[in-house]
This record gives sequence, structure tokens and C-alpha cells, in this order.
Amino acid sequence: DGGITQSPKYLFRKEGQNVTLSCEQNLNHDAMYWYRQDPGQGLRLIYYSQIVNDFQKGDIAEGYSVSREKKESFPLTVTSAQKNPTAFYLCASSRPSWNEQFFGPGTRLTVL
Amino acid sequence: SQQGEEDPQALSIQEGENATMNCSYKTSINNLQWYRQNSGRGLVHLILIRSNEREKHSGRLRVTLDTSKKSSSLLITASRAADTASYFCATYNNNDMRFGAGTRLTVKP
Repeated sequence: DGGITQSPKYLFRKEGQNVTLSCEQNLNHDAMYWYRQDPGQGLRLIYYSQIVNDFQKGDIAEGYSVSREKKESFPLTVTSAQKNPTAFYLCASSRPSWNEQFFGPGTRLTVL
Repeated sequence: SQQGEEDPQALSIQEGENATMNCSYKTSINNLQWYRQNSGRGLVHLILIRSNEREKHSGRLRVTLDTSKKSSSLLITASRAADTASYFCATYNNNDMRFGAGTRLTVKP
């Protein structure tokens, strides 16, 4: 089955800790994206990558970091610098960039 | 910040009725996309309409785009209980993609 997976589904973090959210796709898509969704809100773009070893900041990149060492993988690290990290995080991929995006099931991060 | 704004915020209809959701935006766009999200899940792409297109159809879905009014509408015909979800419009231009806050559609059986 082709698709995009995210893990874990739920993640709990203590204040001051960095956490990494996993995103993997086997759709052979060049572009990958990370979004944040807060309750009752739309999605906001954190980072995107259109090609391996290259990525760009989105609207709300502060406190987050990413890497794109492989085409299939685009992990997101939520650092302790992110002031309000509790949210629902969604990863997506597309080919070509900015066309129909395929979304993973999301990771719900809660800071305790 | 959000670009698209959906209207209404919430819509409740009976099964079999049509549902219309609107999206307004502020700046020029390359394309506009509609997505659906079931509660607590990822988004599913419905339709993409380019700035030089005025109308597109996909099954029971019809999307219109009026670039002069900077607005789009999504029509779902003959709605079903399974259409209950949140619907988002997303505008794209120049490596910038913005989602609205969504319309919450409830279809009562």
C-alpha cells in the first residue's frame, strides 16, 4: 500500500525536552510538508521541502527544526524553544510541489 | 496567518440535501484546493482548481472560483451522513500555502 505514515499517534513531553515526530512516505513524492493545527483552526505551515537535502521555513518555523536526508523521510523536531507546542501535527507530501497533498494521520503532541 | 476564510463556520443539513460552503481570500492565487477532515484525522484532498479555471466537478462535488471576487464555493449534492466532516479551503501562491479555519458540516440521517 502506498501512503504516508506518522508516528507516534500520541506523544507526551515534559517542558524543556526536545521531541522528534516521524514522517515517512512511499509515494515517491519529491515535496513534503509539516503543518500544525490548533483546536478549531486551520493548518499553518511549519516547514516544507521540495527536494532531498533542502528545506524552507513556513509561516511558523520558530522553535522547530527539520531534516531531509532521504526522499522518503521528513522528521520534525519540536525544540524547547517552541513556546506553545501542544497541538496536532500533520505531515503531507505531494508531486509536484503545492498540488494535491496526501496527508498522514497526524501526531497529537501534549506538553505536560 | 490565514488566507482563506470559510463561511459558514458550521452547517447542519438533512441527508439528501445539498450543502454549499464558501471561501474568500485576500491576495492573488495560483490555485485553490478543498480538503476534508474527519475528526482527529489527516486531511483528504477533494479538488484543485487553478486560477484560470472557473468550475470543476468531481462526483457529487462542484467547485467554482471567481478570481474577481476572490472567492470559491464548494457544493456537495445529495449529501450523506458520511459527508459529516470539516471542510477546508487552501490557497496557494509563490511557495505559500494558507488554509482557512474550515466549515464544520453535519449531515443528519
